[in-house]
Amino acid sequence: DTEVTQTPKHLVMGMTNKKSLKCEQHMGHRAMYWYKQKAKKPPELMFVYSYEKLSINESVPSRFSPECPNSSLLNLHLHALQPEDSALYLCASSQYGGIETQYFGPGTRLLVL
Amino acid sequence: GQNIDQPTEMTATEGAIVQINCTYQTSGFNGLFWYQQHAGEAPTFLSYNVLDGLEEKGRFSSFLSRSKGYSYLLLKELQMKDSASYLCAVRDMGDGGATNKLIFGTGTLLAVQP
Repeated sequence: DTEVTQTPKHLVMGMTNKKSLKCEQHMGHRAMYWYKQKAKKPPELMFVYSYEKLSINESVPSRFSPECPNSSLLNLHLHALQPEDSALYLCASSQYGGIETQYFGPGTRLLVL
Repeated sequence: GQNIDQPTEMTATEGAIVQINCTYQTSGFNGLFWYQQHAGEAPTFLSYNVLDGLEEKGRFSSFLSRSKGYSYLLLKELQMKDSASYLCAVRDMGDGGATNKLIFGTGTLLAVQP
């Protein structure tokens, strides 16, 4: 099983809403990542969790709050987003967070109105 | 600083061979990845190079020259389904190797025509 799953596939939310994106992998990977991708742009790293601990926060605004409940799950809590936050949010995982390949989930397409 | 350059768009014919180039400048280079991304979908891993030379995997090959900061992805026997964006990504280990941080290029949109 080399699959990373993400829910929901699509999300529309208002600027006052609170929502969460979910990511799950059952490959035994110990590192998980959140990326943001705008249309026709490359993925941009947001957060990295290694062994359930936040190891990288790429100066992401506090309206994005990551959570790693266990080694298989990664959440991204959203609150008071702006329209410019509309993008494809990709989750990825790798074996240890070192030099291995990252495997991506299908993404959640977010639209903020 | 970090800089990764790829051509924005390329067009090729079904059955032909196409080479997508990538040049990079990064402080803590420790490997280069190629990913394929169809519109609206997740990037899919294609290849990985950390040493100089050619890595071949079926119809896809990837080459790396660390001294030149250069890589290419070679696609043979092109098929219509190969129409996608191809992302070059460099692993940055500037923090001493503690974290696997990928820096992506802007991607090359390949259109395969009949």
